[in-house]
Amino acid sequence: GAVVSQHPSRVICKSGTSVKIECRSLDFQATTMFWYRQFPKQSLMLMATSNEGSKATYEQGVEKDKFLINHASLTLSTLTVTSAHPEDSSFYICSATFMGGNTEAFFGQGTRLTVV
Amino acid sequence: GDSVTQMEGPVTLSEEAFLTINCTYTATGYPSLFWYVQYPGEGLQLLLKATKADDKGSNKGFEATYRKETTSFHLEKGSVQVSDSAVYFCALSDRNTGGFKTIFGAGTRLFVKA
Repeated sequence: GAVVSQHPSRVICKSGTSVKIECRSLDFQATTMFWYRQFPKQSLMLMATSNEGSKATYEQGVEKDKFLINHASLTLSTLTVTSAHPEDSSFYICSATFMGGNTEAFFGQGTRLTVV
Repeated sequence: GDSVTQMEGPVTLSEEAFLTINCTYTATGYPSLFWYVQYPGEGLQLLLKATKADDKGSNKGFEATYRKETTSFHLEKGSVQVSDSAVYFCALSDRNTGGFKTIFGAGTRLFVKA
């Protein structure tokens, strides 16, 4: 089956620093990747959609300069949280779909970010 | 736009009780429907799916039937176990939402007591 790997699974960083989260499709070419954010005891909120080689499309209310998304290859997308603050602490999950696939997306394991 | 509504939790059941978690959706196209499960501190796991009307998805004793006429995809299990305690998310994915992005319901937390 299609596997999506997300790294790191947990990260703690100091306020003001930047953190990069990687999302890789291990056995398929991901034409589209999605980034979600999940607050404690809440649902997953879509942050942005990225297609390989083009700029990400951000959902309303998501700061583009705060959450930098790069989808440079068909197997890798990265989310960089810039100048992180404690309110950015959350669970971030990526997913990927591929051309010719059905409508199912494949999810990474998630990254728990804690900003101190 | 597309949306998913599921029953609020938490739901607390005794072991071997019958489970139903209601889910309804709104979509402009013909979505695929999913149930995901999230155990404490973990990511999402796909529990089951259905891609067209009248399809029944099933896995690990859980079932859900795609009902187009009622726009519903209710999750059921005949006899729950303590190990089923988790958060369950109903979701849809639609070709018309741009690259098959997945839209989630709010999630329903299930507690099963021994």
